[in-house]
Amino acid sequence: DSGVTQTPKHLITATGQRVTLRCSPRSGDLSVYWYQQSLDQGLQFLIQYYNGEERAKGNILERFSAQQFPDLHSELNLSSLELGDSALYFCASSGREGWYQETQYFGPGTRLLVL
Amino acid sequence: LAKTTQPISMDSYEGQEVNITCSHNNIATNDYITWYQQFPSQGPRFIIQGYKTKVTNEVASLFIPADRKSSTLSLPRVSLSDTAVYYCLVGDVEGNTPLVFGKGTRLSVIA
Repeated sequence: DSGVTQTPKHLITATGQRVTLRCSPRSGDLSVYWYQQSLDQGLQFLIQYYNGEERAKGNILERFSAQQFPDLHSELNLSSLELGDSALYFCASSGREGWYQETQYFGPGTRLLVL
Repeated sequence: LAKTTQPISMDSYEGQEVNITCSHNNIATNDYITWYQQFPSQGPRFIIQGYKTKVTNEVASLFIPADRKSSTLSLPRVSLSDTAVYYCLVGDVEGNTPLVFGKGTRLSVIA
């Protein structure tokens, strides 16, 4: 158990809909990272927040947005969903601001299925 | 950003030692090499990290030659529970490089 929690575990929705994925980082961790893992693309970095502020952006679509709240939990909002958005979405947390590879702890993921 | 290349898949029998090699020809002076393990439907988990020569922990060993253009993850006496995808990552020690996960190496351990 990494200490990172994600809800929901599974999500099934229809095209065009909007969903929110939630992540609670490990206690004390200020950084939250979101990743998308699909079968054909592997694990791709989407966005990072550090202590409430956006710090880095990866391959995140304009239909997707995220935020980190004062209690440090984070939400990833996916809108106008398409079939290709079906994937596993992972959240990771770290106690450090940067990309220190040894200190990212991943949650169990949310499996999104868009029908 | 240093690109990594690893075999897509490997098979091994239980009890054997498994070596997975990763190529990173344009690794920079400031870069570390890190390996992650991912079981099905779980998030990746840090295994081991190194800069040069050899690093060993309770799970694996990491061998890095002097030119650092490749690295080899060694798993001693694998069991069925070692069946997973193994990712090799390269990133700088200052923490300025987003983690880039490639497709990884899918290791299947057979009884």
